[in-house]
Amino acid sequence: AQKVTQAQTEISVVEKEDVTLDCVYETRDTTYYLFWYKQPPSGELVFLIRRNSFDEQNEISGRYSWNFQKSTSSFNFTITASQVVDSAVYFCALSEAETGNQFYFGTGTSLTVIP
Amino acid sequence: EAQVTQNPRYLITVTGKKLTVTCSQNMNHEYMSWYRQDPGLGLRQIYYSMNVEVTDKGDVPEGYKVSRKEKRNFPLILESPSPNQTSLYFCASSSFPPRGRSYQPQHFGDGTRLSIL
Repeated sequence: AQKVTQAQTEISVVEKEDVTLDCVYETRDTTYYLFWYKQPPSGELVFLIRRNSFDEQNEISGRYSWNFQKSTSSFNFTITASQVVDSAVYFCALSEAETGNQFYFGTGTSLTVIP
Repeated sequence: EAQVTQNPRYLITVTGKKLTVTCSQNMNHEYMSWYRQDPGLGLRQIYYSMNVEVTDKGDVPEGYKVSRKEKRNFPLILESPSPNQTSLYFCASSSFPPRGRSYQPQHFGDGTRLSIL
């Protein structure tokens, strides 16, 4: 079974629109970590955020915000006032601290911001 | 400069010819990992290592070997490559464990594109 599901394969928005990328995860561990990474067209993978399972506080960093809800096993990522430079593939990932420290990535969401 | 270095960046080879992709990090990270990225499948972990001489299988270890004799190096070995191993490969390193304020997240190399004919 897929441990991290990113149901949105591709999303297109017009510049300045807000967009939310969904991430649903599955784990039996009580201690785990969730991550978001960005992969721009140049191909490198860029770390955006880590969240641990004991901290459900939402986080905001500039135009980026993250909504972690354990009740729905979701860790969604919102970009406010999108810009062309936000065009990239975004990956959500899970690491389970109790069962081996593997990393599980979702299949990614390709975001295109149209000028 | 903190970096993860993979070599080669590109390789075209033939079925059955053993190859090694090297990975080296200069951040003294304990945790190192190999992933492959395929269209529609995202990144899948091949092997990971939590320290010297400690390696574990990820989701897709078949056909691959790794070793961790030194902290900085984590080579990926394809003993008998096959066309289904054509992919984009990433090496990554991070501090371990992934808890605490001092955690340094996974830092990825630039990727190695392997084509196996």
